[in-house]
Amino acid sequence: DSGVTQTPKHLITATGQRVTLRCSPRSGDLSVYWYQQSLDQGLQFLIQYYNGEERAKGNILERFSAQQFPDLHSELNLSSLELGDSALYFCASSVGDLVRETQYFGPGTRLLVL
Amino acid sequence: GENVEQHPSTLSVQEGDSAVIKCTYSDSASNYFPWYKQELGKGPQLIIDIRSNVGEKKDQRIAVTLNKTAKHFSLHITETQPEDSAVYFCAAGFNKFYFGSGTKLNVKP
Repeated sequence: DSGVTQTPKHLITATGQRVTLRCSPRSGDLSVYWYQQSLDQGLQFLIQYYNGEERAKGNILERFSAQQFPDLHSELNLSSLELGDSALYFCASSVGDLVRETQYFGPGTRLLVL
Repeated sequence: GENVEQHPSTLSVQEGDSAVIKCTYSDSASNYFPWYKQELGKGPQLIIDIRSNVGEKKDQRIAVTLNKTAKHFSLHITETQPEDSAVYFCAAGFNKFYFGSGTKLNVKP
């Protein structure tokens, strides 16, 4: 158990809908990272937050947004969902804001868009 | 941006043999190279990492080598065991990670 929790574990929704994925980092970690893992594109970095502020951005679509709250939990919002958004979404956390610090991954949220 | 290529995509070895997975990267600014192990139904777990000022790092049966000039790094697992069976990902980056496409390792008892 990495200490990172993600909810829900599974999510089934329809195209055009909006969903919110939630992540709680390990105790003491200030950074949260979001990743998307799909069969055809592997594991892709989406975005990083550090202590409430956006720190780095990857291949995140404009339909997706994230935030980190004062209690350090983070939410990833996915809107206008398309079939191709079906994937595993992981969050990871680390102590500081440097990417070369150990990142601890949560168990993921499996999203299926029908 | 960074482009990380990983080979092979699948690797099958007999228990006790060694396994080697190789990655290349394109961005010379990358200075951090972690390796992750992902078991079925779980999130990736860091198994070893190396920074650009080091050429080799070992942790028991696992070692990683880095050649910055050639822009490639490798994961070596010795004396493989069935519980090593999983998908392994390399990654490279400076201020964000780029992952390789993964290697499915199967260790046959």
